[in-house]
Amino acid sequence: DAGITQSPRHKVTETGTPVTLRCHQTENHRYMYWYRQDPGHGLRLIHYSYGVKDTDKGEVSDGYSVSRSKTEDFLLTLESATSSQTSVYFCAIRKSTGPTYEQYFGPGTRLTVT
Amino acid sequence: AQTVTQSQPEMSVQEAETVTLSCTYDTSENNYYLFWYKQPPSRQMILVIRQEAYKQQNATENRFSVNFQKAAKSFSLKISDSQLGDTAMYFCAFPPAQGGSEKLVFGKGTKLTVNP
Repeated sequence: DAGITQSPRHKVTETGTPVTLRCHQTENHRYMYWYRQDPGHGLRLIHYSYGVKDTDKGEVSDGYSVSRSKTEDFLLTLESATSSQTSVYFCAIRKSTGPTYEQYFGPGTRLTVT
Repeated sequence: AQTVTQSQPEMSVQEAETVTLSCTYDTSENNYYLFWYKQPPSRQMILVIRQEAYKQQNATENRFSVNFQKAAKSFSLKISDSQLGDTAMYFCAFPPAQGGSEKLVFGKGTKLTVNP
């Protein structure tokens, strides 16, 4: 258990509205990641962070932004939600100790955009 | 591009039998890690096993083991004495580049059903 929580766990929103998902960790790990999971696609990286205020894009970053003002929190924002952003969103961390690249995941957020 | 391929979208196995899930990958790196993750119906992603490419010995974790063939870029997962609780999606993953972002690339997954 890497002490990762995500909020909300479920959300239904309308097209065009802004949405922010929160990932919170309790162990002060440097690296944090946001993925989306869709049938037939596995997990795809949206954005990641390698420190406070240090973020970069993943392979499916269009329509998403992130912020990390504190080590423990990594926020994912959909500025104007679209139906194509209906998905399950996972946050992950890489532990500062242990084998390189090994990631641990939060419980996920199911987002439905109607 | 660095890729991960899981060629079996779905598999099924009888309880207590053995099943092998396939994964191939493409990388130009020499030293790297490979991972298998399990996602049961609860949706939680769980790390099952890891393999370090510079180690020739295949990793083993209880009933889970890997068959790592570095030259063939193959990393299969063997589940022995399958249990109903092994029913899940299984994802192969590896980092496409050493250092820096330490990102992982995931395969599309194999849905495993263990039948009673």
